[in-house]
Amino acid sequence: KAGVTQTPRYLIKTRGQQVTLSCSPISGHRSVSWYQQTPGQGLQFLFEYFSETQRNKGNFPGRFSGRQFSNSRSEMNVSTLELGDSALYLCASSLGTGGSMSSGNTIYFGEGSWLTVV
Amino acid sequence: AQSVTQLGSHVSVSEGALVLLRCNYSSSVPPYLFWYVQYPNQGLQLLLKYTTGATLVKGINGFEAEFKKSETSFHLTKPSAHMSDAAEYFCAVSARDNYGQNFVFGPGTRLSVLP
Repeated sequence: KAGVTQTPRYLIKTRGQQVTLSCSPISGHRSVSWYQQTPGQGLQFLFEYFSETQRNKGNFPGRFSGRQFSNSRSEMNVSTLELGDSALYLCASSLGTGGSMSSGNTIYFGEGSWLTVV
Repeated sequence: AQSVTQLGSHVSVSEGALVLLRCNYSSSVPPYLFWYVQYPNQGLQLLLKYTTGATLVKGINGFEAEFKKSETSFHLTKPSAHMSDAAEYFCAVSARDNYGQNFVFGPGTRLSVLP
């Protein structure tokens, strides 16, 4: 059974540009969540989607957005990139019937997308 | 809002010694608690979780953790460290706050295992 797949694995962008990251959840999983990991801030929750609807959102500015498609695949977008957006972006999926976190469902992480902003 | 603290950003133990990684949380409502492990250049892998029921939770690779409500702790232990346990460990809490259901990670503890 394939795990959570994230693309691209590595990318470099320039300040001011925008970036889109993709996540394919484990087959059958309907909940997808996104996290940012940096040395300074650690792991931080960005948002969670279930059935194409954003269910939960962390404390990130509006430059960070996401969406989920009918096949449960998800994308996150960061606009007007800043140097501080350089991070590992992790996607996770779970079965979830109404949001993985609210039921304590196990979430499975992908290997992440390394974003460097120069 | 909930928060998680992990005492010790770096812990070193000898192979075969007891592993103890500390985690304390704050939450105004009963939380779900998790331990994740991250190996270099990889995503996170769930070690164990506490939702309800038995407070002593057993996970993969011989790890276990005990939920102590009175101490707001969820420390991770393993009786005998193995070289392959060297990794970064994250404690996390999931609870509802004013923004909805949030999932907060601790800062992480890097475990080194010495031969």
